[in-house]
Amino acid sequence: AQSVTQPDIHITVSEGASLELRCNYSYGATPYLFWYVQSPGQGLQLLLKYFSGDTLVQGIKGFEAEFKRSQSSFNLRKPSVHWSDAAEYFCAVGNSGGSNYKLTFGKGTLLTVNP
Amino acid sequence: GAVVSQHPSWVICKSGTSVKIECRSLDFQATTMFWYRQFPKQSLMLMATSNEGSKATYEQGVEKDKFLINHASLTLSTLTVTSAHPEDSSFYICSASGTTIYGYTFGSGTRLTVV
Repeated sequence: AQSVTQPDIHITVSEGASLELRCNYSYGATPYLFWYVQSPGQGLQLLLKYFSGDTLVQGIKGFEAEFKRSQSSFNLRKPSVHWSDAAEYFCAVGNSGGSNYKLTFGKGTLLTVNP
Repeated sequence: GAVVSQHPSWVICKSGTSVKIECRSLDFQATTMFWYRQFPKQSLMLMATSNEGSKATYEQGVEKDKFLINHASLTLSTLTVTSAHPEDSSFYICSASGTTIYGYTFGSGTRLTVV
């Protein structure tokens, strides 16, 4: 069964600092990987996704993520954080085979941005 | 881009009553819709998957008679929480996908409070 681990429950960074949110997955084949952001009381917005090809994926809002098969990781990065980036971030893995396109989400990382 | 509208954004109902939540794809045909439940400060838990015109597939542990899902058209899916109880209070989010695999767009969520 597929699973996702986000080791950091809460991260605090200063505005303008760099950011890296960790995500490790468990899946038998090459996974489909996603990062979503959720503001309080809101739905989820897709930041980026990886299906295949270049392992460095660019997303919206200046985010990027790198797929590292050897480490089963898909960490999210941003070179300079803005106060508006404060939110909950979820990593998710999807089934790349068959017709089951369910997503399994990690528990999320809450990002706080200090001025 | 793909837009999913979820209504209502919040609802308060009395214990024992039923409440319906709507999920609409506004500018694409949603062949598959997913319903999630999210407890405070926790991740999303998939409740069920519905394909247009078919019965929903429920995840293990989800009561199909309590959480009725209808996906009668390519633009609308509904989740009805029947005989609601305070423990059903939660944040419910839908996502919709068209013909693009993993082209998921999430609704903005519904905060259900049962009193």
